[in-house]
Amino acid sequence: QMQLVQSGAEVKKTGSSVKVSCKASGYTFTYRYLHWVRQAPGQALEWMGWITPFNGDTNYAQKFQDRVTITRDRSMSTSYMELSSLRSEDTAMYYCACTSSADEGAFDIWGQGTMVTVSS
Amino acid sequence: EIVMTQSPATLSVSPGERATLSCRASQSVSSNLAWYQQKPGQAPRLLIYGASTRATGIPARFSGSGSGTEFTLTISSLQSEDFAVYYCQQYNNWPLITFGQGTRLEIK
Repeated sequence: QMQLVQSGAEVKKTGSSVKVSCKASGYTFTYRYLHWVRQAPGQALEWMGWITPFNGDTNYAQKFQDRVTITRDRSMSTSYMELSSLRSEDTAMYYCACTSSADEGAFDIWGQGTMVTVSS
Repeated sequence: EIVMTQSPATLSVSPGERATLSCRASQSVSSNLAWYQQKPGQAPRLLIYGASTRATGIPARFSGSGSGTEFTLTISSLQSEDFAVYYCQQYNNWPLITFGQGTRLEIK
């Protein structure tokens, strides 16, 4: 079945960077947009950006434009999200999600989430 | 940026009753709107896309309606497993995506 499996929890220091991976299986990796969404504890979902696995095109939310980089490795069917200059407010669950084959705007497959904790 | 506003923030409903959740967009998003359900400790699950189309495997008691700036998610007869947080999401402003702040549906 289609699934996205993310890397494990991370604990980082303020000012450092984190890189989270998301491995796809059960579908053709290059056929669907791959998005990254985060959720701070007790807070709403927040869209960060997407990548087109076929050619590597990306688009980011303005809030994260200067600090986030989304990449992919086609040979590994894996996407990566790197967030730099971490601060305490970046403590959150980070999800990857891919868009539906029926509607390219809706996210029908989600990873299990990766908890990132930032402390000084 | 298109701002999505959900109301109410918390909705208390008894099992078996109907629940109506609202989502308003700051400008028209046509029918490019999705709804998600999220339970504690779980990733979100897609319920509705295109404002009114149920995703695969979603029970018929879930229905979506609306277009433009006003949208509604209705759960016709609440089951115990339906108590969760619900989010709307617009994707009309592609490539930019925004979510609402969520509505918590709790047992009355």
